[in-house]
Amino acid sequence: EAQLLESGGGLVQPGGSLRLSCAASGFTFGSSDMCWVRQVAGKGLEWVATISGSRSTAYYADSVKGRFTISRDNSNNTLYLQLNSLRVEDTAVYFCAKDTSTFLNSNYYYYMDVWGKGTTVTVSS
Amino acid sequence: DIKMTQSPSSLSASVGDRITITCRASQNIRTYLNWYQQKPGKAPKLLIYAASSLQTGVSSRFSGSGSGTDFTLTINSLQPEDFAHYFCQQSYSSPRSFGQGTKLEI
Repeated sequence: EAQLLESGGGLVQPGGSLRLSCAASGFTFGSSDMCWVRQVAGKGLEWVATISGSRSTAYYADSVKGRFTISRDNSNNTLYLQLNSLRVEDTAVYFCAKDTSTFLNSNYYYYMDVWGKGTTVTVSS
Repeated sequence: DIKMTQSPSSLSASVGDRITITCRASQNIRTYLNWYQQKPGKAPKLLIYAASSLQTGVSSRFSGSGSGTDFTLTINSLQPEDFAHYFCQQSYSSPRSFGQGTKLEI
């Protein structure tokens, strides 16, 4: 069974840094695209970043570009998110997810089919 | 960026009911539309991808339809475990935006 487990969340002051980790098991991590999605308490979901499996190409939401860095260690089946220059508005539950593609009707469709339970980041003075 | 708008924001229903949730995209996204279910304190769960393809292991009471800008999620014969939040998401272009969610309550 595919599983993801996040860790590393906590309380940090504005301007501070944090590194989140996501341990993967039960699927071929190295060839899987992975992403981070966050959710402010009681609100909707916001895609944060994606990293490709093979070439580790990274993509970011404008709201975090230049402050957050997504990376991966395929030898240890672990995904990371480095959060720098944190702001109060970065407070959220951060989920890691497996980003899967399916070829259907001559097109590739992308969706997040495995999710972790999330880790909470609180930015406050 | 593509904006996704769900309606209604909340919905009251009873066990055994059939309900429909609507998701509208701000531009044509063909059938690049996913639906997720989320229960309090839990991670989202994929229900439907490519607008109408049922994810493996998901009950056939769930179905999706639509293309272009208008999409629907239908749940037949509501069960107690179906009462949750539901989110749509477009995968047509980056950033892959989500709708604001629909709370389905008893």
